[in-house]
Amino acid sequence: KNEVEQSPQNLTAQEGEFITINCSYSVGISALHWLQQHPGGGIVSLFMLSSGKKKHGRLIATINIQEKHSSLHITASHPRDSAVYICAVDQGAQKLVFGQGTRLTINP
Amino acid sequence: DVKVTQSSRYLVKRTGEKVFLECVQDMDHENMFWYRQDPGLGLRLIYFSYDVKMKEKGDIPEGYSVSREKKERFSLILESASTNQTSMYLCASTGREPAKNIQYFGAGTRLSVL
Repeated sequence: KNEVEQSPQNLTAQEGEFITINCSYSVGISALHWLQQHPGGGIVSLFMLSSGKKKHGRLIATINIQEKHSSLHITASHPRDSAVYICAVDQGAQKLVFGQGTRLTINP
Repeated sequence: DVKVTQSSRYLVKRTGEKVFLECVQDMDHENMFWYRQDPGLGLRLIYFSYDVKMKEKGDIPEGYSVSREKKERFSLILESASTNQTSMYLCASTGREPAKNIQYFGAGTRLSVL
């Protein structure tokens, strides 16, 4: 069993829909990261959080430490949000353990 | 803006060749990391470094070595490339303070070993 599990693995939605991507982990962590990877490979950090909730534009990330679960939400989704979203946990010393990613496709 | 630059976007090498992948960051970050990314396996840590001349093995160091002679540069070396090292390689860097724990990634190098 992977230490970091994401669901769903693939998600296709229509423009404007509310999107939720889930991440569950089985180890103790100091922080959890959400990353975005567009076709071509470059990875961008979206959020780093250790408790509660963070918001940036149309993106919201939440974490429940007790339940070892995090969610990434996208409101009013747009085709440019199409990407792979990756959850990663920091077990300390900034060594990240990554989920396998969720491939999101937003159709116009 | 932090910039992490990887020397090549695409590389094609022959089995047995020695391969150097270079990574340079311009934010005076202490920590640098090399990952490989494979379909179905996600990103896996090969090596990391917390300071000049320091290196630590990650989860899959076999077949790789690294060099960090200067703070801004972290090199990944494939001593004798093999076909199972065909992959996307990503470099990342972070600062030491907790507030700087966000990892900044390079654009990646897609390596094919024939």
